[in-house]
Amino acid sequence: GQNIDQPTEMTATEGAIVQINCTYQTSGFNGLFWYQQHAGEAPTFLSYNVLDGLEEKGRFSSFLSRSKGYSYLLLKELQMKDSASYLCAVRPNFNKFYFGSGTKLNVKP
Amino acid sequence: DADVTQTPRNRITKTGKRIMLECSQTKGHDRMYWYRQDPGLGLRLIYYSFDVKDINKGEISDGYSVSRQAQAKFSLSLESAIPNQTALYFCATSDRQGGREKLFFGSGTQLSVL
Repeated sequence: GQNIDQPTEMTATEGAIVQINCTYQTSGFNGLFWYQQHAGEAPTFLSYNVLDGLEEKGRFSSFLSRSKGYSYLLLKELQMKDSASYLCAVRPNFNKFYFGSGTKLNVKP
Repeated sequence: DADVTQTPRNRITKTGKRIMLECSQTKGHDRMYWYRQDPGLGLRLIYYSFDVKDINKGEISDGYSVSRQAQAKFSLSLESAIPNQTALYFCATSDRQGGREKLFFGSGTQLSVL
């Protein structure tokens, strides 16, 4: 089976940095994705990693270590609008995506 | 206009009723998916289709069926709805772009089965 773990909920302060971790055990690996989902809305794509290392995109960065089955999403200069759930997804093969249960991030003033 | 459109946005029905959720897309993507989302369980794949003649079961297909009427349309049916099918349902599409294929989601359908 596929197993993807992330913390259920995190709280951080506006302007700070927060790191959301994701660990996975899957039958194969062809990419790891991060999505953002605001309450009651559709998930939207944030980042993609397939090779080890850090991918940076503005205030958001994502890191992957394939040997450790580990990724993290780093959010810098937090804003109130970053309050959302962050979903980690792994694609074991080119047919399917498997999602973690999501991490709800609360940004407080 | 939304690229991936789901109808209805909300639906309340009774146990035993047949329900159809519809999804249409203007992105021109070949691949379409149906997911359900439950609190604490994340998104789980119900069915997926890679073209009009291709239908595949996902993790949790029991109690559901699908129809791919055209490249742009993919509907999900609950033949006899039961309360534990109460969930938020998402349709998604994707297009092969080498390895960078990603999912584009519709706005979701909140289904309540009483």
